[in-house]
Amino acid sequence: QKEVEQDPGPLSVPEGAIVSLNCTYSNSAFQYFMWYRQYSRKGPELLMYTYSSGNKEDGRFTAQVDKSSKYISLFIRDSQPSDSATYLCAMSERGAQKLVFGQGTRLTINP
Amino acid sequence: DGGITQSPKYLFRKEGQNVTLSCEQNLNHDAMYWYRQDPGQGLRLIYYSQIVNDFQKGDIAEGYSVSREKKESFPLTVTSAQKNPTAFYLCASSSGRPTYNEQFFGPGTRLTVL
Repeated sequence: QKEVEQDPGPLSVPEGAIVSLNCTYSNSAFQYFMWYRQYSRKGPELLMYTYSSGNKEDGRFTAQVDKSSKYISLFIRDSQPSDSATYLCAMSERGAQKLVFGQGTRLTINP
Repeated sequence: DGGITQSPKYLFRKEGQNVTLSCEQNLNHDAMYWYRQDPGQGLRLIYYSQIVNDFQKGDIAEGYSVSREKKESFPLTVTSAQKNPTAFYLCASSSGRPTYNEQFFGPGTRLTVL
């Protein structure tokens, strides 16, 4: 079993829809959770960074962490075609420099 | 502008050749990382370095080598011992502080073995 599981998709939704992307993990020591967006043939860019449980909002993006269920989510409101990309979750233990990545979910927003 | 640069963007290698991928950062970050990304897969850690003149193997270090002689630079050599080197290679850096460990990525190098 992988330490971090992420459905690779592909996921295709119409413009304006609310998108929900998810990851599950098995290591209860993970404390830091990140979401990266990667456009085709580009390096990943950091979207959201959260510590421990709870929600964090940034514009149209909301990151949610449920440590009791070992489950994290990224919600995209009012999705736009420019949101079409692969979304990678990543997480780490406190004090660790290494990140553990999910496989990535490929998302397409259709105009 | 602060950031991470990788060169070249595309690289072609013949069987049996060693090639070196460049990674430079001007973010004053202590830690640097090399990842490999294959289609449909996440990022797999090759090597990482938390300080100059020190580095550790990641999950898939076989067939690769690195050096960290300067804080700004972390070149990766793909040796002929790497049996399946065709992939997208990503370099990243982070501050190295334990409570601020998000990584920032370069644009990547796509290596193709002919």
